[in-house]
Amino acid sequence: EVQLVESGGGLVQPGGSLRLSCAASGFSLSNYAMTWVRQAPGKGLEWVAVITAGSGDWTHYADSVKGRFTISRDNSKDTLYLQMNSLRVEDTAVFYCAKGYCSGGRCHYMDVWGKGTTVTVSS
Amino acid sequence: DIQLTQSPSFLSASVGDRVTISCRASQGISSYLAWYQQEPGKAPKLLIYSASTLQSGVPSRFSGSGSGTEFTLTISSLQPEDFATYYCQQVNLYPLTFGGGTKVEIK
Repeated sequence: EVQLVESGGGLVQPGGSLRLSCAASGFSLSNYAMTWVRQAPGKGLEWVAVITAGSGDWTHYADSVKGRFTISRDNSKDTLYLQMNSLRVEDTAVFYCAKGYCSGGRCHYMDVWGKGTTVTVSS
Repeated sequence: DIQLTQSPSFLSASVGDRVTISCRASQGISSYLAWYQQEPGKAPKLLIYSASTLQSGVPSRFSGSGSGTEFTLTISSLQPEDFATYYCQQVNLYPLTFGGGTKVEIK
């Protein structure tokens, strides 16, 4: 069964750091673009970052996290990461990882999602 | 950045109703649009990609249409399990943005 399981969320003070993990099973992480999406309490979905498939590892970020968050993956462990530094109160959210799906030359549709991990930034 | 504007943001409907949700892009995105359904407390679920292609396992009462800047998600006959929030997302250009969501509630 294709599955994604996030971990690493928790309570952190403003200015702190946290690393989220997303463990994949049932497929090889290296073959797919992988995305982080977040959802603040009571709000809509916000795209955070993507890492493309293959060995090139191109990454792209939302302006709101650029320079503070880093997406990466360890293909040998089939695990995706999101390193979050300089955290702000407004980063409080449920963070989801999602597997990319290709169609028509675009591989960023998201067909498998994890259940999410909660990040709370508060003093 | 490409802005996606969904309308309405909220709608109240009855079981069996035909429901239409609109998503407008601030610039042309060809057919690079997806629709997701999110039930409360759950992860989103991919319903439609490439604007009109139904994801495997999704009931045929869901359909998508449009290209360029105007897109529509239609539920032909609303079922109890369809009461949820729906989001559109463009995958044409980075950053990959979502619409604000449309919450479908029971009348």
